[in-house]
Amino acid sequence: GNSVTQMEGPVTLSEEAFLTINCTYTATGYPSLFWYVQYPGEGLQLLLKATKADDKGSNKGFEATYRKETTSFHLEKGSVQVSDSAVYFCALSDRTDSNYQLIWGAGTKLIIKP
Amino acid sequence: DGGITQSPKYLFRKEGQNVTLSCEQNLNHDAMYWYRQDPGQGLRLIYYSQIVNDFQKGDIAEGYSVSREKKESFPLTVTSAQKNPTAFYLCASNRPGTHVGGEQFFGPGTRLTVL
Repeated sequence: GNSVTQMEGPVTLSEEAFLTINCTYTATGYPSLFWYVQYPGEGLQLLLKATKADDKGSNKGFEATYRKETTSFHLEKGSVQVSDSAVYFCALSDRTDSNYQLIWGAGTKLIIKP
Repeated sequence: DGGITQSPKYLFRKEGQNVTLSCEQNLNHDAMYWYRQDPGQGLRLIYYSQIVNDFQKGDIAEGYSVSREKKESFPLTVTSAQKNPTAFYLCASNRPGTHVGGEQFFGPGTRLTVL
């Protein structure tokens, strides 16, 4: 079945460092891919998405490119801030899957130190 | 402002008691969802509803029940049959015309603790 694998956290960086959070997926069809962010004690917010291969999603300085050849959707940011500290979730949905719903990664906790 | 509200934010319950978590949305969304989140794990789908008076079980429906009498409301009852109910519960919804697997909007969550 479809699945999402994220790098384990926590990821700890200093302010202004470069961020990469890895996400790889397994899908039988042509999924849409998402990154959600969860700030402490809150619900999830959509950060960015991509619906087909080679699409790049971007928002708030974050970017992720849908790579079909490597089945990846890694999240990147050039210069992180303390306010980026949160848990980041990668997710996919596959319209060709009979169990068509959002499939979630385990989440990666990001800690940014000043 | 449109959005999803969940209440209460924190809920404590004694073992053996049923408890109902509220979820209300004023986004005019058709589909609504309940997820459970445990530390270090992704979200797991409990129930979802694509239309009023209809709902389907998700991956971990045992010990939970829902109703969808109004478009705006999708309450979740955690029954005494749920063996390990302590968790963070999230409600979400989809825009009209969006499929179950499409982009979802989330409420702030309810943290349930069984004492």
